[in-house]
Amino acid sequence: AQSVTQPDIHITVSEGASLELRCNYSYGATPYLFWYVQSPGQGLQLLLKYFSGDTLVQGIKGFEAEFKRSQSSFNLRKPSVHWSDAAEYFCAVGSGYSTLTFGKGTMLLVSP
Amino acid sequence: DTAVSQTPKYLVTQMGNDKSIKCEQNLGHDTMYWYKQDSKKFLKIMFSYNNKELIINETVPNRFSPKSPDKAHLNLHINSLELGDSAVYFCASSHRTSVTGELFFGEGSRLTVL
Repeated sequence: AQSVTQPDIHITVSEGASLELRCNYSYGATPYLFWYVQSPGQGLQLLLKYFSGDTLVQGIKGFEAEFKRSQSSFNLRKPSVHWSDAAEYFCAVGSGYSTLTFGKGTMLLVSP
Repeated sequence: DTAVSQTPKYLVTQMGNDKSIKCEQNLGHDTMYWYKQDSKKFLKIMFSYNNKELIINETVPNRFSPKSPDKAHLNLHINSLELGDSAVYFCASSHRTSVTGELFFGEGSRLTVL
């Protein structure tokens, strides 16, 4: 069965500093990987996804993520965080016609 | 125009009552979903419909009954509400049934059972 682990429940980053949110997955074959963001009181929005090809994928709002098969990871990064990035971030894994499995989320707090 | 809209946004009710949540999408998608997000923010799929037909039914009590009158609408009816049903329920839609289809979420319906 596929699973996703987001080791950090919450992270605080200073505005302007760089950000890395960790995601580890468990799946036998090459997975489809996603990052979604949930702002307070809102639904989830897709930031980026990886299916195949270049292991560094670019997303919206200046985010990127790198797929590392050897580490079973798909960490999300941003070089300079803005206060508006404060939100809950969810990593998700799926394959073929299976449903998505979401991680438990990482709450990002941005300090001035 | 909101792409995926759910009503009501908030719902407070007593145990044992029956309630419904409605969802509509104007994206022209064939596939719609209901997800439950618990108090720890864990998001789990409940149902998936493709063009009005049920294709995924996860382990959900049969007190929960989805209904899709057409492919743009997916409603969720809950009978005999229990305390454990308190959660945020998200409707979502996607262009494809496959997991490769991007999910578009509504803003959620927060259900509180007293």
